[in-house]
Formats: sequence, C-alpha cells, structure tokens
Amino acid sequence: GQNIDQPTEMTATEGAIVQINCTYQTSGFNGLFWYQQHAGEAPTFLSYNVLDGLEEKGRFSSFLSRSKGYSYLLLKELQMKDSASYLCAVTRGSTLGRLYFGRGTQLTVWP
Amino acid sequence: GAVVSQHPSRVICKSGTSVKIECRSLDFQATTMFWYRQFPKKSLMLMATSNEGSKATYEQGVEKDKFLINHASLTLSTLTVTSAHPEDSSFYICSALGQTLAKNIQYFGAGTRLSVL
Repeated sequence: GQNIDQPTEMTATEGAIVQINCTYQTSGFNGLFWYQQHAGEAPTFLSYNVLDGLEEKGRFSSFLSRSKGYSYLLLKELQMKDSASYLCAVTRGSTLGRLYFGRGTQLTVWP
Repeated sequence: GAVVSQHPSRVICKSGTSVKIECRSLDFQATTMFWYRQFPKKSLMLMATSNEGSKATYEQGVEKDKFLINHASLTLSTLTVTSAHPEDSSFYICSALGQTLAKNIQYFGAGTRLSVL
C-alpha cells in the first residue's frame, strides 16, 4: 500500500510564500504529482517530479527527495485565487498513470 | 490545454436504480482513463483503470459488478453504478492520460456528484 501524508489546512496572506509538505511511504515509487483543486472543479496539473531536486515553474516550484520520501510545493507571491486544495499524488508500479492521492491541503489566502 | 468532459455534473437517483456517468476526452485520444471517488474532505481514491478495447482493472476492494466500466472508444469511458444505494453517494471524478500530449500527465473531468436517496 501507500501512505501519503500532507497537512489538512494552511493559511497565508497575499504576497507571502507558503510551502506545502508531502511525505510518502510506498513501494515501487515512480514519481510525484501536485494538483490544484478548487471546490467543485476538476483538479488541474501543477507539477511532476521524478528525479531529486527542484522544478520551478513560474510562481510554483516543487521539490522531491526520493531517499527521504518527501516533497514540497512552494507557492510564491500568493494571490487570493491561489486559495484551493493542493493534492499530492504518487505513481507506483509499471502501469502509467495510476495515481494515489493524499487527502489534500486546503490553503486559504487572506488579503 | 487538454479538456476532459464529464457528464452529468450532478445526479440524484432512487435507491436500487443504476446511474451512468460519461467521461470524454475532447481534443485528444485517451487509451487509458481512470475513475476516482472522493468523499468530503478526503483524498481521491483510485477505483479502476479503464483501458480502451479491453477490460477495466479494478483496485483492491472495488466491486467490479457494482461499478461497471466500459471504454468503447479512444475518447469515451463510462462508469455505471448499478443498483445504487445511499452509501454510493459520493463525488466521482474521471481522468484521461495524455499520452499524445504531455506524457504521464492526467487531465481530470470536473466530477459528478451522485446522491442516492
């Protein structure tokens, strides 16, 4: 099985930086995804890490350490529209695309 | 970007009836689609992998006779919840694997909220 853990809730103010952590314990780990999900909407792809290190994409960055079973999503210059649930998901095994999600971190950005 | 359409967005049905949910990839072909279930404030739980032209692969604990999956074309997968009961009430989300786009990226539908009375 897989054990994926991330904080349930986080709050921050506009313009700030926030780091959302995700730890996982899973066999046959292939890669880790971060998705953003606004209430009642489809999750949207943010990032995909396979190798150790930092992937930067605009205001969002994601980091992975395979040896530590750890990832984080870094959001800079927070905006109100960043208020959403952020989902950490891992892929494992030989079948492409089977995602196993954490329960998500609900981020609230205050003015 | 890639668009996945899921229909209906909301359905209310009586206990004992069957409900069909459709998932379409609108601007790309998807040989593989996935069905997830999400309870309030819980994570998305993978139910099954839908493969075009072959039988679906179900995750452990998911009843294949309860949740029928058909993937008849490269752009359409359907999930039928048979003989629905109140405990089947949930948020069901599909996704399609963008093998012809950015590989390994799943594109999600907006979900279907099922309420069984």
